[in-house]
Amino acid sequence: EDQVTQSPEALRLQEGESSSLNCSYTVSGLRGLFWYRQDPGKGPEFLFTLYSAGEEKEKERLKATLTKKESFLHITAPKPEDSATYLCAVQRRGGANNLFFGTGTRLTVIP
Amino acid sequence: DGGITQSPKYLFRKEGQNVTLSCEQNLNHDAMYWYRQDPGQGLRLIYYSQIVNDFQKGDIAEGYSVSREKKESFPLTVTSAQKNPTAFYLCASSINWNGNQPQHFGDGTRLSIL
Repeated sequence: EDQVTQSPEALRLQEGESSSLNCSYTVSGLRGLFWYRQDPGKGPEFLFTLYSAGEEKEKERLKATLTKKESFLHITAPKPEDSATYLCAVQRRGGANNLFFGTGTRLTVIP
Repeated sequence: DGGITQSPKYLFRKEGQNVTLSCEQNLNHDAMYWYRQDPGQGLRLIYYSQIVNDFQKGDIAEGYSVSREKKESFPLTVTSAQKNPTAFYLCASSINWNGNQPQHFGDGTRLSIL
């Protein structure tokens, strides 16, 4: 059975304090791993897709990496506007384009 | 601007009433999806549509129905058979159904019971 576990559930950082969010997954053949950002009362906003172990993608202060069992979202020198819930989702190979989501990490960056 | 529009933003349902949530996209995407989001749980797939006039049940389809008569529209009806409908409902679309392109989401409809 597909499983996605995100940790920690919540994270509070001082502005400028770098850290990482973890997404551990179990899926029968990974087609892709997706990271989204969700602000309160809004829909998820797409950030990255990772397809194979060793792949990395960057966008501003965010960098996503992928291994065969987990993905990390590294946040470098975060700012208060980076506060949001970050969602990880996996897509299984061979099936429709359906995503299986984790429960998210709620990030708060304190000025 | 291209995107996905969900309406209404807030919706209230009385006991025994069916309600319909609207989802419209102008991205020319073939595939569309409905998810439900509850506190402390990941998004769960209700229904998806790979192409016009076709749709499939997701993981939690009981008590819901959909139609896909037009490419740009994928309305979701929450029927009286859904006993716990209070949730945040999210509509998404992707370029096609069998690739690995990302899904893009609307800003959701929050449904509550009166």
